[in-house]
Amino acid sequence: GAVVSQHPSRVICKSGTSVKIECRSLDFQATTMFWYRQFPKQSLMLMATSNEGSKATYEQGVEKDKFLINHASLTLSTLTVTSAHPEDSSFYICSASDGRGAFFGQGTRLTVV
Amino acid sequence: AQKVTQAQTEISVVEKEDVTLDCVYETRDTTYYLFWYKQPPSGELVFLIRRNSFDEQNEISGRYSWNFQKSTSSFNFTITASQVVDSAVYFCALRPAGNKLTFGGGTRVLVKP
Repeated sequence: GAVVSQHPSRVICKSGTSVKIECRSLDFQATTMFWYRQFPKQSLMLMATSNEGSKATYEQGVEKDKFLINHASLTLSTLTVTSAHPEDSSFYICSASDGRGAFFGQGTRLTVV
Repeated sequence: AQKVTQAQTEISVVEKEDVTLDCVYETRDTTYYLFWYKQPPSGELVFLIRRNSFDEQNEISGRYSWNFQKSTSSFNFTITASQVVDSAVYFCALRPAGNKLTFGGGTRVLVKP
C-alpha cells in the first residue's frame, strides 16, 4: 500500500516552454500533497503544500506564478513549471500524505536546455 | 522552528561493517513524528521507519535498527553488516503536528566491497 506515482521520471525541454509533472496517490486518498526540489548533493527543499480543492501554500522564496500547483482531487496533484529556464533544471519530487505518513513519488529530473 | 541535523555528510565503510547514522532534531512541539528515508542513486525516496514522539522503544528490522532518545533529541540509525546495496543517501526527517516534513541534510553512505 501507500504507493505514489510521479510522471514523467525524466524530461528535457527547451527554454521558454512549460512542463507539467503529475503526482498520483494510487491506493489512498491524499489530503495533503507536497512538492520538493532537490539540487545535486543537497537535501530536499519544500516548495509548496497543497490541500485538495484549495490554493497551494508556497514557501518563502518560491515563485507561485512560476511553479503552478493544482490539487484537483484527493489522488492527483500537478506541478507546472512555466516558462522554464536552465536554472529550473533540478530534481522535483512529490509527497502525498493521508495524515499519518508521507510517501514519495519517484521524482522527476527536469533538464531545461 | 523545526530543525534536523545530520552531522555526518559522508560515511565510507567496507562491506560487513556496521554503520551508525546520527540525527539530532529540534522542535517545540510535544507531539511529532520522526522518519528515516533512503535515497538510492535512482533518486526515489524509500520510506524506512516512522516513530512518534511518545514511543521511545528502539526498533529492529532485519539489519536496520533505530535508537530514539528523547532526552537528547536524537534518532540514530544503524545498519548492521552493511552491504554494497546499502550505498545511498539517508535522510532523517521531522514532522510536527503541522504536517510539514523538515529534512536533515542527508548522510551519504558508501559501502565498498
